[in-house]
Amino acid sequence: DVKVTQSSRYLVKRTGEKVFLECVQDMDHENMFWYRQDPGLGLRLIYFSYDVKMKEKGDIPEGYSVSREKKERFSLILESASTNQTSMYLCASSLGSFAGVYNEQFFGPGTRLTVL
Amino acid sequence: QKEVEQDPGPLSVPEGAIVSLNCTYSNSAFQYFMWYRQYSRKGPELLMYTYSSGNKEDGRFTAQVDKSSKYISLFIRDSQPSDSATYLCAMSATTAGGTSYGKLTFGQGTILTVHP
Repeated sequence: DVKVTQSSRYLVKRTGEKVFLECVQDMDHENMFWYRQDPGLGLRLIYFSYDVKMKEKGDIPEGYSVSREKKERFSLILESASTNQTSMYLCASSLGSFAGVYNEQFFGPGTRLTVL
Repeated sequence: QKEVEQDPGPLSVPEGAIVSLNCTYSNSAFQYFMWYRQYSRKGPELLMYTYSSGNKEDGRFTAQVDKSSKYISLFIRDSQPSDSATYLCAMSATTAGGTSYGKLTFGQGTILTVHP
């Protein structure tokens, strides 16, 4: 069974703290994605990775960085958390590059981050 | 203007009703159209996938794509309380084989409640 897990369901941090959100997939997927989900704004892509140590900025990368040292693990880092980063964070993964074949993104359960 | 627009609702219908969910988009390069369903406190799961224009049916669910109008729809027949969820449309210009690695652009999501 396909599985994407995220390290925490709920997290509370203080302004200025460094925050690590971890995501692990067990499907040997090449692509991994980090989104944030806010009411009225839907899912917005922060960063994605198409291979180990490879990363690309999404639509809203400011204030975030990522790390992918192993194929199955993709970390989102908030270097200095701010209150406007309070959100639901969703990780997803998908198979690699097969031309002409759509690859479904599989999502984790999400981490609800509150920055005080 | 957002690339993908979706009425966030909320939408409340009685059990057995026909539900129509819609998205419009502005990027004519989009070719792959998806509907994801997200239950409360869960990550989104793929519900329907359509390539280019046309209809696709799966049980009580029908997805329609009209590329000439840049408009997609999801119809739910004989709606059930278990259909209560947030429905997200998503679109992609390429497959995972393209340079965007299957990157999806999501609508804002529509919150649907089906009451008994």
